[in-house]
Parts: sequence; structure tokens; C-alpha cells
Amino acid sequence: KAGVTQTPRYLIKTRGQQVTLSCSPISGHRSVSWYQQTPGQGLQFLFEYFSETQRNKGNFPGRFSGRQFSNSRSEMNVSTLELGDSALYLCASSPPYQETQYFGPGTRLLVL
Amino acid sequence: AQSVSQHNHHVILSEAASLELGCNYSYGGTVNLFWYVQYPGQHLQLLLKYFSGDPLVKGIKGFEAEFIKSKFSFNLRKPSVQWSDTAEYFCAVGSGGYQKVTFGIGTKLQVIP
Repeated sequence: KAGVTQTPRYLIKTRGQQVTLSCSPISGHRSVSWYQQTPGQGLQFLFEYFSETQRNKGNFPGRFSGRQFSNSRSEMNVSTLELGDSALYLCASSPPYQETQYFGPGTRLLVL
Repeated sequence: AQSVSQHNHHVILSEAASLELGCNYSYGGTVNLFWYVQYPGQHLQLLLKYFSGDPLVKGIKGFEAEFIKSKFSFNLRKPSVQWSDTAEYFCAVGSGGYQKVTFGIGTKLQVIP
């Protein structure tokens, strides 16, 4: 099976812009989670989607949003980018009824 | 709410030394416990997991972890590390329901040849 894929792999944006990141889960996985990874902060949970519904949400401002499509692909959007949004954004998918997560390579976002 | 604490943020060891990385969690109910590893330039990947049964679980590459319920701990061990074990290690806890999985801050392990 193909692994979790994320596009784009790298992004450079300026403050105030918005960005959309995409994640394609492993075939058959319906749960998709998003994390922000920064040095010293570890993995901060953004949100989780299951069957097109947001099932869990982390403590991030409303500028961070996401959605999931009927084919389980997911997107996350960050509006009005701030310098502090520079990070590696990771997507992970899980098989049905399991918590084990399979991670993609991440999208590295740099906000200037 | 769940939380995970990893005590060592940066560990430096010589090859063949023994490794133990601490992980404590706070959650009163049934837990699923994980260790993930991120090698330089690679994806995060599962190292080992505990759901139930034998509290001593074995993972890939000679790693093992012991679940001690009374101490809310899930420490990662390896008897003899190799240079190729240089990576960042993350402990994570889930509750098995529809709650999110919570990750620790990570421990960077550097193994010196």
C-alpha cells in the first residue's frame, strides 16, 4: 500500500497570506489527524477528521481549519499567516478502530 | 485530559551504551501507549505499542518498553545502542475511544560512534 502523502513538501509564504495543505491517507484509512511540529514544542495536535466530520480539535486559533472529503483526503488551511506559524505540518492516518498512526513526510512551512 | 511527559529532551550516548528514555502520562482510564521514532530526514514511524496484555512490549530494532500502571510510566529501553539509533523519540498516549492521541515533547538521542 502506498503511504500517507502530503503536498506540497515545502512552502514559503509571507505574513498575512493564507495557505492550504493537502494530505492523502493510506487506502482504507478513514481517520486523518493533523499536527504542528516545532523544535521544543513536539507535536501539537491540530484536529482529527473521520468520515468527513471533525471529531477532535486542539487548542489552535480559528485561523487554522480543515476539512475531509468523501475519499478521506484531507486539507488544512491557515489564514492570515503569522511568523510563528512556521513549522512542519504532519498528517497521519489510522486504520479503522485503531489508534496507531501512520505519518506522512510533512509540509515544511516558512512564513517570512 | 491526557498529558505526556518525557523527562530527557536531549540524550547523548556512546555506542554500546544502554538506553532508557522516560515517559510518564496522566490519564485515569484505560490507555494505549506508543513510542514513535523520527530518524533524520525520515517520517515519524511506530517503534512499538501497548494496548493490553504483557506489560513488556518489544518493538523494532531491539527496542522494548515496559508499562508500569502504578507509576503511569512507559519507559523505552535498549540494551546496546548503535549509531543508527540517532533519532528523535516520541512517547504518545491514547484512550482507545474517540479522544485524540497526545504526544510528548520528544527526546533527541545522539549516539556517538
